[in-house]
Amino acid sequence: AQSVTQLDSQVPVFEEAPVELRCNYSSSVSVYLFWYVQYPNQGLQLLLKYLSGSTLVKGINGFEAEFNKSQTSFHLRKPSVHISDTAEYFCAVSPETGFQKLVFGTGTRLLVSP
Amino acid sequence: DTAVSQTPKYLVTQMGNDKSIKCEQNLGHDTMYWYKQDSKKFLKIMFSYNNKELIINETVPNRFSPKSPDKAHLNLHINSLELGDSAVYFCASSLTMMGSNEQFFGPGTRLTVL
Repeated sequence: AQSVTQLDSQVPVFEEAPVELRCNYSSSVSVYLFWYVQYPNQGLQLLLKYLSGSTLVKGINGFEAEFNKSQTSFHLRKPSVHISDTAEYFCAVSPETGFQKLVFGTGTRLLVSP
Repeated sequence: DTAVSQTPKYLVTQMGNDKSIKCEQNLGHDTMYWYKQDSKKFLKIMFSYNNKELIINETVPNRFSPKSPDKAHLNLHINSLELGDSAVYFCASSLTMMGSNEQFFGPGTRLTVL
């Protein structure tokens, strides 16, 4: 079984400041890792994913994430946030073998203010 | 063109009623999913279908019955609605059922049971 922990339920930050959203996971098997974003009153959309290879993954809207296997972490970063980045961010994992079954963290609300 | 669409967007009903939510994807994907997002934004998979066949059924009460008439549609029927069923229900699809795939989410259906 897998579990995902997002330690910060809310992260307030000022516009143009850097931000890091933390994600740790637990799994007895190898997993793929994902970050999804949910804008207010919308469905989720994929920001980025880690499948294999380079541990630094770049996604849409200037976001990137680093996979750290020893620390079982997949933290999301952006060097300079915009007001429009205000949203809920979900970290998720899925087993590498078998069919996709996303297990989500509880989400982190990123609140960007001017 | 909407990739994954759901109807209705809002559903308000009384306890004990039966209701359905419809989902359609025009992406040509093989796999479709239903998720429940509770009031704390926690997102949990309910069902997954691949080419009209059920592949994931996550300890969901049997009052919930998904139906896939073809691989572009996955509907959710709920019998004898309870207060605890109030949530946002998301439909999603992916190209195949492989764990590495991106999932595309619909806009959600907010169900309120009074």
